[in-house]
Amino acid sequence: KQEVTQIPAALSVPEGENLVLNCSFTDSAIYNLQWFRQDPGKGLTSLLLIQSSQREQTSGRLNASLDKSSGRSTLYIAASQPGDSATYLCAVHGGSQGNLIFGKGTKLSVKP
Amino acid sequence: GAGVSQTPSNKVTEKGKYVELRCDPISGHTALYWYRQSLGQGPEFLIYFQGTGAADDSGLPNDRFFAVRPEGSVSTLKIQRTERGDSAVYLCASSITGLGETQYFGPGTRLLVL
Repeated sequence: KQEVTQIPAALSVPEGENLVLNCSFTDSAIYNLQWFRQDPGKGLTSLLLIQSSQREQTSGRLNASLDKSSGRSTLYIAASQPGDSATYLCAVHGGSQGNLIFGKGTKLSVKP
Repeated sequence: GAGVSQTPSNKVTEKGKYVELRCDPISGHTALYWYRQSLGQGPEFLIYFQGTGAADDSGLPNDRFFAVRPEGSVSTLKIQRTERGDSAVYLCASSITGLGETQYFGPGTRLLVL
């Protein structure tokens, strides 16, 4: 059974720092991996999707990497801003169809 | 609308009552998903529709939970004889074909069972 773990559970950094969020999964046979952002009391916003054949994806200040064989992904946030404060969720897609399996998330706080 | 919408945004009910939660996906999206999120946890899969049919309902916790999507667009999640443990945020998502693309989530319905 696929399990997704995110470390750390919470992270507090001063504004301007670069930071890395970690995601690991137990079964390397994934179809793709998605990173989401969730603001308090809100739904999920998709940030990046990496196909299993890809090594990384970039969007603005965000860069996500995928090492499928070792069951790991990282989300790198450059020059963090207070507006980046949110919970970041990692999710894997086990097959070409169907549901995502989520980690518990990392709660990020960026202090001005 | 431009995104996935869910109604109601909040629902308070008493133990034993019946509730219906509605999801309106992005127009043209054939795949629709229901997830449940408890406090401090990631979303957990409940059911996945491909068009009008439930392609995978393996995440439904028991037979008190049921979902329909009769015309391949709007979906309703139905919970009978609600229990306090059903309290959670129920999230709906949709994707274009269901073939591993980005899933777009609605804002969720907060269900509180007293």
